[in-house]
Amino acid sequence: QVQLVESGGGVVQPGGSLTLSCAASGFTFRSYGMHWVRQAPGKGLEWVAFIRFDTSNAYYIDSVKGRFTVSKDNSRNTVSLQMNGLRGEDTAVYYCAKDRGYRSPDGLLENWGQGTLVTVSS
Amino acid sequence: DFVVTQSPDSLAVSLGERATINCKSSQSVLYSSNNKNYLAWYQQKPGQPPKLLISWASTRESGVPDRFSGSGSGTDFTLTINSLQAEDVAVYYCQQYYDTLPAFGQGTKLEI
Repeated sequence: QVQLVESGGGVVQPGGSLTLSCAASGFTFRSYGMHWVRQAPGKGLEWVAFIRFDTSNAYYIDSVKGRFTVSKDNSRNTVSLQMNGLRGEDTAVYYCAKDRGYRSPDGLLENWGQGTLVTVSS
Repeated sequence: DFVVTQSPDSLAVSLGERATINCKSSQSVLYSSNNKNYLAWYQQKPGQPPKLLISWASTRESGVPDRFSGSGSGTDFTLTINSLQAEDVAVYYCQQYYDTLPAFGQGTKLEI
């Protein structure tokens, strides 16, 4: 079955950097796009970024554009989120999620990991 | 930009009764070429990641009980939960996936 396991969360100072990783298994990773979604403590879901199955393109919410970079390693079945210039408002649980679309993004987040907590604080 | 708004923010319903959650998109999510509404519903129970319940506004995912149903078209949608069970306590989110950048509603907390 599909498994997504995030790692890399932790406490970081404002302005700092952190890289999250998501290890995927149970499906043909190279054929599916991957999303990152975050959830601030006690708040709702916020879609953050998406990378196409073949890494040909990536998309970001405006508030992280230029600071966050999503990458996908189809040889290692991992997707990563490099986060720079972190701010207090980036504090959240970050989930990776598999897009349902086979070789074509569909926007449905079919499977989710358990999430990893990022806390931005001095 | 797409803005997705849910109502109410929270809802208390008795066991066995019906719960209704509304979702409104700032723009139509109906794609004319295939007549499909690009609107999904997710359920998030405490301490768990979200779970996809309904896609294309009204198509239940495999394993989702038939007491869950989705309806609506264009900009206005509804999630209905009939015969509410204790295990349905959760936060429910709608999500548009019409746009390249998906967007979630703010969530509706369902309590017994």
